[in-house]
Amino acid sequence: QSALTQPASVSGSPGQSITISCTGTSSDVGAYNLVFWYQQNPPGKAPKLVIYEVTKRPSGVSNRFSGSKSGNTAFLTISGLQADDEADYFCSSHAGSRTFVVFGGGTKLTVL
Amino acid sequence: QVQLQESGPGLVKPSETLSLTCTVSGYSMTSGYYWGWIRQPPGKGLEWIGNIFHSGTTYYNPSLKSRVTISVDTSNNQFSLKLSSVTATDTAVYYCARGGHFYGDSPSFWGQGTLVTVTS
Repeated sequence: QSALTQPASVSGSPGQSITISCTGTSSDVGAYNLVFWYQQNPPGKAPKLVIYEVTKRPSGVSNRFSGSKSGNTAFLTISGLQADDEADYFCSSHAGSRTFVVFGGGTKLTVL
Repeated sequence: QVQLQESGPGLVKPSETLSLTCTVSGYSMTSGYYWGWIRQPPGKGLEWIGNIFHSGTTYYNPSLKSRVTISVDTSNNQFSLKLSSVTATDTAVYYCARGGHFYGDSPSFWGQGTLVTVTS
């Protein structure tokens, strides 16, 4: 059981937008602006950081990826879906000085 | 560009100690950042194991703390993971990664990962 809750799967057609949620608590997602999002494709390959600190995009990541947060839930939005966006997406968050870092269970994005 | 590479045995017997090393290139660990380990059991999600600063300060996942030791060797720009008393549930791909400037930051750059299987 992962600390952060993500939908198991989402899907969308090329060109559409999708949003993946990441629900935590007031002790992690809700308490800190330290939510990170990763893309992993294929499973077992090193995850790639696509969003850090809720809304920031690392250099080289497409501006089609954006992040936001409302209360205890963070969101990753991918606009203008492309075939190579198909991957597993994981969120993570700082969770305080006892638990430190927690991850979500991952969401499989299928591009139809 | 920083690069990280995990190394160590791919098979470990139950009750023994899993030992992995991460070699960092393209960046001196003493220049800053936290360095850590994350694992992913086959077909499952990610689990943060812990991280370390070049000074040796460590932070561990409370659920693994009694079995985990992370250490640093700045002279060789490496850090290591030891996980004792392993069982089949410790079978996973183990990743080393660079974190941020804050101990609670999630990983930014990741190694390719190495599969460790616990089996007799």
